[in-house]
Amino acid sequence: ETGVTQSPTHLIKTRGQQVTLRCSSQSGHNTVSWYQQALGQGPQFIFQYYREEENGRGNFPPRFSGLQFPNYSSELNVNALELDDSALYLCASTVGLAGNTIYFGEGSWLTVV
Amino acid sequence: DQQVKQNSPSLSVQEGRISILNCDYTNSMFDYFLWYKKYPAEGPTFLISISSIKDKNEDGRFTVFLNKSAKHLSLHIVPSQPGDSAVYFCAASAGGYQKVTFGTGTKLQVIP
Repeated sequence: ETGVTQSPTHLIKTRGQQVTLRCSSQSGHNTVSWYQQALGQGPQFIFQYYREEENGRGNFPPRFSGLQFPNYSSELNVNALELDDSALYLCASTVGLAGNTIYFGEGSWLTVV
Repeated sequence: DQQVKQNSPSLSVQEGRISILNCDYTNSMFDYFLWYKKYPAEGPTFLISISSIKDKNEDGRFTVFLNKSAKHLSLHIVPSQPGDSAVYFCAASAGGYQKVTFGTGTKLQVIP
């Protein structure tokens, strides 16, 4: 039990649609990151939020966007879905930017058809 | 460009023996290395880490070795147990723990 919960666990969307994935972190975890894990690959860093501000971004287009809220929850939004967006999306949270254990949620499986 | 590489997609080991999982990296800016374990339908779980100022870190049955000159690290599990069967990811970061670059994983099977 990591204290990081993600919803929904599974969903299917059509190409071109938009999706919002949600994450609830432990109280006090002011840093959250999102990762995309395609089948057979390791998780790929999408972006990180620290105290509700984006604090680093991986090699993902602007149609991937996020929000972090004061209540330690966060969202990942993906617009104009493409087939290649089908993956497991992982939320990870911790306290601060370095020096503490990172906790992952169980992920949201997105299938784009 | 795969900056963290795990060249063995799978590994089978007998229960009680040593499991050695290997990882290579290319980015010399990486200064912190982590191993994660992942069961199906679960998120990755942190296992052990090592800073670039060390060459070994031990935690119970798990030991991570870092060879900076070779840009290589390894995870040793002794003795291996059937419950260790999972996918193991090597990961690295530079200057910020959450901007983590993962390898592609090695599936470990420990045979009873």
